[in-house]
Amino acid sequence: DIQMTQSPSSLSASVGDRLSITCRASQSIDDYLNWYQQKPGKAPRLLIYSASNLGSGVPSRFSGSGSGTDFTLTVSNLQPEDFAIYYCQQSYGTPGTFGQGTRVE
Amino acid sequence: QLQLQESGPGLVKPSETLSLTCTVSGGSVISSSYYWGWLRQPPGKGLEWIGNIYYSGHTYYNSSLRSRVTVSVDTSKNQFSLRLSSMAAADTAVYYCARQVVRTRYFDFWGLGTLVTVSS
Repeated sequence: DIQMTQSPSSLSASVGDRLSITCRASQSIDDYLNWYQQKPGKAPRLLIYSASNLGSGVPSRFSGSGSGTDFTLTVSNLQPEDFAIYYCQQSYGTPGTFGQGTRVE
Repeated sequence: QLQLQESGPGLVKPSETLSLTCTVSGGSVISSSYYWGWLRQPPGKGLEWIGNIYYSGHTYYNSSLRSRVTVSVDTSKNQFSLRLSSMAAADTAVYYCARQVVRTRYFDFWGLGTLVTVSS
């Protein structure tokens, strides 16, 4: 299975901050990398698909970049509703594995 | 707007078989563009993909669960289902159903999730 490693595991931020979360794959996955946001007691929500494409209804302060093995999710001008856990997921291989998550608090 | 809703027991005894159903509304499971999948999340932990099904009935399973998993689809009811046998405490989790785009395989719509606890 392809292993996905996110860093950091958690980070402290304030409203208005710009933050970045990285995700590294154990092998090249081209651009088959997706990002999800999960709030307590809720299902994950798609933010970014195919490394850099914004999901439907997702605010433009979210952006994604990268290809191959290294990817980044950036949130600019952090809003109160952005405090959550963020997961990356590779959809290149089967099973489609997830990173361990990054908690933004 | 597409909606997915999981249903099934919240409590299962060890060694029993879990059966969950996902009802799709606002769209059809008969689509060449999507798979229909199951994922789970143990309390306080990360996400694990269990398996997918295409409307034709073709299935894809996580190899770590393959011997215990069956995913099926009922196009007449616009539902798909999960069966997971030999349940153990480690299978306690929130189980989600979700729609997965065929071409790029991301999950774009999710159900609310249902907590399944394995306990005698």
